[in-house]
Amino acid sequence: RKEVEQDPGPFNVPEGATVAFNCTYSNSASQSFFWYRQDCRKEPKLLMSVYSSGNEDGRFTAQLNRASQYISLLIRDSKLSDSATYLCVVSLGSSASKIIFGSGTRLSIRP
Amino acid sequence: GAVVSQHPSWVICKSGTSVKIECRSLDFQATTMFWYRQFPKQSLMLMATSNEGSKATYEQGVEKDKFLINHASLTLSTLTVTSAHPEDSSFYICSANDRPYEQYFGPGTRLTVT
Repeated sequence: RKEVEQDPGPFNVPEGATVAFNCTYSNSASQSFFWYRQDCRKEPKLLMSVYSSGNEDGRFTAQLNRASQYISLLIRDSKLSDSATYLCVVSLGSSASKIIFGSGTRLSIRP
Repeated sequence: GAVVSQHPSWVICKSGTSVKIECRSLDFQATTMFWYRQFPKQSLMLMATSNEGSKATYEQGVEKDKFLINHASLTLSTLTVTSAHPEDSSFYICSANDRPYEQYFGPGTRLTVT
């Protein structure tokens, strides 16, 4: 079983739709959780951190369920520019050697 | 946010040659930098942790004699792929953090070995 699992997609949705991604992690000692966005042939960029209380940033909402070891990302009113691969990232500590990347979920927004 | 640069952004080399990739933190000092490799449609895999002034720490399965890492200053780490082969063709990305838990990635170097 992978340490961080994501549905690889691709998700192909129309502009304006709401789309949700899920991610599960296997290590209960995981401390921090993030969603990164990676465009084709580019480096990953931090989209948002994920907190137990849930957090929202504009059209993006992230939630964490520690009991179920489950993380989600919701994108509302999707835009063409949201097309990218979304990486679920789990950290066991402050060092990058403790950071585990999911394999990513590809999202394609169509006009 | 913090800025990390990489050079070159892409390189094509012949099999058997060596290639050096530079990673620089532009507006902060990084005692630790990290090197990742990403194959098409796969996630990032940590190769090694680069420590300023000391030896790098390599992840299991990564050959330290093939992937030479030097971290000579607080703002520069280099990765040298020695005796490159076509299977080394990949996207190499470095990262550093100026605070815990948040990684800043360089733009990546696409290596193609012919």
